[in-house]
Amino acid sequence: DAGVIQSPRHEVTEMGQEVTLRCKPISGHNSLFWYRQTMMRGLELLIYFNNNVPIDDSGMPEDRFSAKMPNASFSTLKIQPSEPRDSAVYFCASSSGMNEKLFFGSGTQLSVL
Amino acid sequence: RKEVEQDPGPFNVPEGATVAFNCTYSNSASQSFFWYRQDCRKEPKLLMSVYSSGNEDGRFTAQLNRASQYISLLIRDSKLSDSATYLCVVIYSGNTPLVFGKGTRLSVIA
Repeated sequence: DAGVIQSPRHEVTEMGQEVTLRCKPISGHNSLFWYRQTMMRGLELLIYFNNNVPIDDSGMPEDRFSAKMPNASFSTLKIQPSEPRDSAVYFCASSSGMNEKLFFGSGTQLSVL
Repeated sequence: RKEVEQDPGPFNVPEGATVAFNCTYSNSASQSFFWYRQDCRKEPKLLMSVYSSGNEDGRFTAQLNRASQYISLLIRDSKLSDSATYLCVVIYSGNTPLVFGKGTRLSVIA
């Protein structure tokens, strides 16, 4: 049974470049979450979707960050332009409902040089 | 005041020891609680749910104290493999997602 699938696992890019992170939630889950994790700030919720609709993006740090969920099986998080302070691990997670336990993908380790 | 607070640790304990972590939450309307475990460079994984009556899973016991607004995790007979960061998770009501604590780091030493 496939879990949450994220790609790429690692991304190294230069400042100013566009970065796109991808996520495939668990089939049948209708809630999807994007988190960012750093040593200093821990796990930060960036944005979450319910039934493909963005519910709250107040955690998105700047306009450089955007997320989409065109269908129930795919979501993207885009950073344009990227900056060194965006370097972190980005996790996607899904659940069967807003108040249900989350299942995480393996994360994308992003390094912006 | 932070919504969910945990002692970051690290807790360094010898194998076989019993160790306990607490996690406090600020919103009395909190409805559901979980403990997640995160290994170094890995994703968080659900360890156990926390029920009002308390629950046990092998060497792990989770308890909820609503009056004092905290949950706890007790690990008995610690193993080297228990070394990880333990994240406290709280869910409020309605359309609000889970809130994660910053985690407590545990190192079990041989």
